[in-house]
Amino acid sequence: DGGITQSPKYLFRKEGQNVTLSCEQNLNHDAMYWYRQDPGQGLRLIYYSQIVNDFQKGDIAEGYSVSREKKESFPLTVTSAQKNPTAFYLCASSMFGPSTDTQYFGPGTRLTVL
Amino acid sequence: QQQVKQSPQSLIVQKGGISIINCAYENTAFDYFPWYQQFPGKGPALLIAIRPDVSEKKEGRFTISFNKSAKQFSLHIMDSQPGDSATYFCAASIASGANNLFFGTGTRLTVIP
Repeated sequence: DGGITQSPKYLFRKEGQNVTLSCEQNLNHDAMYWYRQDPGQGLRLIYYSQIVNDFQKGDIAEGYSVSREKKESFPLTVTSAQKNPTAFYLCASSMFGPSTDTQYFGPGTRLTVL
Repeated sequence: QQQVKQSPQSLIVQKGGISIINCAYENTAFDYFPWYQQFPGKGPALLIAIRPDVSEKKEGRFTISFNKSAKQFSLHIMDSQPGDSATYFCAASIASGANNLFFGTGTRLTVIP
């Protein structure tokens, strides 16, 4: 059963803590992405990776970090430097290259800072 | 700066009616325009997509109309059903680039019986 999995579904964090959101895909996709979704603002790109051991900042990378040690995995760490981390986080993946633009999304992780 | 502007923010349509959502963009390098459908608590799923070499694409009750000169594209949902109630996002990207999608702000569609 191919797809993208994200865990956990819900995550609660105290202020000042770092938390890591998991994203795994078995679609053999080259590219992976992290988005943040807030009400009324659509999806905003945090980080993306086109290949293992390489990643690029998106529009709102401050306060976040990522790694891409394996093709299948792209974890996102929300650090204590992120001022307003409460949001719905979405991971996506796609084949890299022309005419392969479709991004497939995971079910999301809802992060709440207490 | 919003690369893709979407309207309306919310839309209420009677069952059987036509739902129309509009998007506009400025970057003429965009050459891939997908629409995503998102149900509450779920990730977005690709609904339909178009490239600028055609002016219209239809899949079942869903149609994308594309106006390259006006830099606008729209989603039409014919015979709207309560099950279509969801948030719809338009997006745009450059196929030869990093496949980064630029999303609109979303339209919450409610279809009332």
